Amino acid sequence: AQSVTQLGSHVSVSEGALVLLRCNYSSSVPPYLFWYVQYPNQGLQLLLKYTSAATLVKGINGFEAEFKKSETSFHLTKPSAHMSDAAEYFCAVSAGAAGNKLTFGGGTRVLVKP
Amino acid sequence: EPEVTQTPSHQVTQMGQEVILRCVPISNHLYFYWYRQILGQKVEFLVSFYNNEISEKSEIFDDQFSVERPDGSNFTLKIRSTKLEDSAMYFCASSPTLGWGEAFFGQGTRLTVV
Repeated sequence: AQSVTQLGSHVSVSEGALVLLRCNYSSSVPPYLFWYVQYPNQGLQLLLKYTSAATLVKGINGFEAEFKKSETSFHLTKPSAHMSDAAEYFCAVSAGAAGNKLTFGGGTRVLVKP
Repeated sequence: EPEVTQTPSHQVTQMGQEVILRCVPISNHLYFYWYRQILGQKVEFLVSFYNNEISEKSEIFDDQFSVERPDGSNFTLKIRSTKLEDSAMYFCASSPTLGWGEAFFGQGTRLTVV
């Protein structure tokens, strides 16, 4: 069984400040981890994925995430927030391999202040 | 860039009516999924479909729900007799045969049952 917990349903950051979104997972098998972003009135877009290679994963739009097995975490960061980063971010876990379902966290809505 | 497309974007239906939500997955993908997101809640897995049959379904996916790939391009979700609690955003997704479990999502259909 798998589960994901995202700490903080809302995060407010100033433009140019660090963005840090927290994700902790539970998995009975080696996990494959994903971050998705949802802009207003749009679908879910894949930001980045961890698939047991490098523990530091770089994604689109300057985001990166680090897999820490000892902490069962996969936190998402971006050094400098941009107004266009305002969106909802979802962490998800899969048992890996094609065809397996995703289990999502509750999402974190990011507000970027000018 | 290939994308998953869903129609309609919004649907309002009366309780007890049947609805069909339509999706066109990415053309070379072979795994298809439906997820839903009730307002303010997590994105939840409903069903996965591969090789013309359901490969996995959640507890939510009861006898009121069915999926079909009628013509080799469309992928549909039917809700036989809608309830108020079926009101949600429904996301279709697809994934390639080889991969790590990531899915590519459509923009969603917002279903409102009145």
